[in-house]
Amino acid sequence: DQQVKQNSPSLSVQEGRISILNCDYTNSMFDYFLWYKKYPAEGPTFLISISSIKDKNEDGRFTVFLNKSAKHLSLHIVPSQPGDSAVYFCAARALNNDMRFGAGTRLTVKP
Amino acid sequence: DSGVTQTPKHLITATGQRVTLRCSPRSGDLSVYWYQQSLDQGLQFLIQYYNGEERAKGNILERFSAQQFPDLHSELNLSSLELGDSALYFCASSVGPPQVNEKLFFGSGTQLSVL
Repeated sequence: DQQVKQNSPSLSVQEGRISILNCDYTNSMFDYFLWYKKYPAEGPTFLISISSIKDKNEDGRFTVFLNKSAKHLSLHIVPSQPGDSAVYFCAARALNNDMRFGAGTRLTVKP
Repeated sequence: DSGVTQTPKHLITATGQRVTLRCSPRSGDLSVYWYQQSLDQGLQFLIQYYNGEERAKGNILERFSAQQFPDLHSELNLSSLELGDSALYFCASSVGPPQVNEKLFFGSGTQLSVL
């Protein structure tokens, strides 16, 4: 039951360029979307979120875009830095508070 | 440091055995969540507690059970272990009561290896 899908298991980007991580979902009841970042040997940490009433949310170098009609969201990192290398999880939450996560995308930013 | 403590960090056991994973939430948090991350899988939601009561259940096997104690720490019990139960188990906490825009704070996880 993969309600949240991250179809790219990995992404490699040059330092200073844009990183775009994608996420698709199937449940139209999802009302809130989040991105978490995970370094090795650590738990996921919250990065940025967006409510379904918005189509964009920006926080410094990180911007999340939401396309509700396409059930698609993306995370843009500009400019990418080597310290951004991590696994990024997309998550979605419905009003019944059941948060679902994607499989994650491993981002590698090369110096 | 998220403030969520999970013990042990690593656990190696044999098939058929029973183990208990422990989680201490952030100070002041009332909600505890358990997630399982298998190889190449996302975080699979297992179960959620709020202030001692079960709030939501995900894909948790009948061999697995959990509880949240009066001091708000939580334990996840895994019994009759199978090879496929080998995974990274995460605990997360939040202030609660659960809301749609709530952020979860994760512990570092317990790596369970069933041999």
